[in-house]
Amino acid sequence: ETGVTQSPTHLIKTRGQQVTLRCSSQSGHNTVSWYQQALGQGPQFIFQYYREEENGRGNFPPRFSGLQFPNYSSELNVNALELDDSALYLCASSIQGTGELFFGEGSRLTVL
Amino acid sequence: GENVEQHPSTLSVQEGDSAVIKCTYSDSASNYFPWYKQELGKRPQLIIDIRSNVGEKKDQRIAVTLNKTAKHFSLHITETQPEDSAVYFCAAFYNTDKLIFGTGTRLQVFP
Repeated sequence: ETGVTQSPTHLIKTRGQQVTLRCSSQSGHNTVSWYQQALGQGPQFIFQYYREEENGRGNFPPRFSGLQFPNYSSELNVNALELDDSALYLCASSIQGTGELFFGEGSRLTVL
Repeated sequence: GENVEQHPSTLSVQEGDSAVIKCTYSDSASNYFPWYKQELGKRPQLIIDIRSNVGEKKDQRIAVTLNKTAKHFSLHITETQPEDSAVYFCAAFYNTDKLIFGTGTRLQVFP
C-alpha cells in the first residue's frame, strides 16, 4: 500500500458531461501529479500541483483542470467529456524534487 | 522533446531465465530513472530506481544499469518466476517533477 487513495474507483459518464476525481496524498508528501493511462499504453502526464498551484502541465487541453488543497489532497476536473477521455486516471504523490512517485489505485472512467 | 523509448514491447521467457528491458531518454538533464511494474487492473508499483550519480543498482533478483553518455538504462531480472509476469514501465524524471514513461513491456514468464 502506498497511502495514496483515490475516489471513485469506477465511474461511467456520457459525452459532454463533467467529472471530478479526488486524491489524498501519502502522509509527508507535498506534491500531487495526475496521469492518464489509456488501455495498453503508458501513463501520460496531465499536470502536477505543488503549494496549491499548477507546477507543470503535459499536452492536455484546458478542459482538464485541477486543484490542490492545504492538506495536499487534490482534485482533477474534466469538462465536456469526450469518448477518448475513457482511461484509468492515476494520482501520484511525492516530495517535491525527489521524483519518487507513489501511485494510487486509480479511477477508471468510461465515457459513453 | 521529452521522450522515453522502451524495447521490447513484449518479452516471453522460460521460468528461471533472465529478462532484459531497455530504455533510452532524450534529455541529458534527466537525473532519476525509476522502473514500475503494473499487474492487470492495478496501479504501477515502483520496483527499483537509479539516480544519475551511479551506474548500477541491484535489489535481489532485479538490477538496473545506467549509461549516461549513451542515455540508456536497462532493467535486468534474473531467475524469473511466473509472478514476475506483468507490464513493466521505465520512466525518466524531467524538470518540474515530471516523470515521462516509456510505452511498456509485457513480460510473460512461462513455467
